[in-house]
Amino acid sequence: DVKVTQSSRYLVKRTGEKVFLECVQDMDHENMFWYRQDPGLGLRLIYFSYDVKMKEKGDIPEGYSVSREKKERFSLILESASTNQTSMYLCASSNTAGGPRNEQFFGPGTRLTVL
Amino acid sequence: DQQVKQNSPSLSVQEGRISILNCDYTNSMFDYFLWYKKYPAEGPTFLISISSIKDKNEDGRFTVFLNKSAKHLSLHIVPSQPGDSAVYFCAARMYNNNDMRFGAGTRLTVKP
Repeated sequence: DVKVTQSSRYLVKRTGEKVFLECVQDMDHENMFWYRQDPGLGLRLIYFSYDVKMKEKGDIPEGYSVSREKKERFSLILESASTNQTSMYLCASSNTAGGPRNEQFFGPGTRLTVL
Repeated sequence: DQQVKQNSPSLSVQEGRISILNCDYTNSMFDYFLWYKKYPAEGPTFLISISSIKDKNEDGRFTVFLNKSAKHLSLHIVPSQPGDSAVYFCAARMYNNNDMRFGAGTRLTVKP
């Protein structure tokens, strides 16, 4: 089974703090993604990566950055956390050679609260 | 601009009846569509998908219908079971792209 793990299930930070959210997948997938889930808005793509050291902006990259130094690990960074970044953050991975379906496999999510 | 829309935030049905979840999209370049199911405190999991060259795909109790001209798809669950209670997300992507766009989700409640 594909496993995507996220470093924390719950996180509470203060405004202005630098926040790191870590994601690791164990299936040698090329693609990794970071989403945030908010009520009424669904899953919105923040950043994604097709390979080590490469990244692409999603629909809402402002206030975030990412790092992918190793194939299995994709980090989301909030340089200076703000209260409007309070959300559920979901990491996902997929295999480029996954065929037409090419489904994404998700981690359990990190609920981040910024006070 | 949300390219994938699920206009019903919630749906409640009786056990044994049919559940119909709807999804509309605006980008005509999308050619692959997926439904994901999400339980509380878990990540979404893949449920069923359909390619734009088809109009129906069936997997057990789950059937997805695609109407390309209307840019509309629907997920039918028959018969509905209490364990189907979850949030269902519709997603779409272009064939040669790896990233997807998701709808806002519909919370399905199946009452015993």
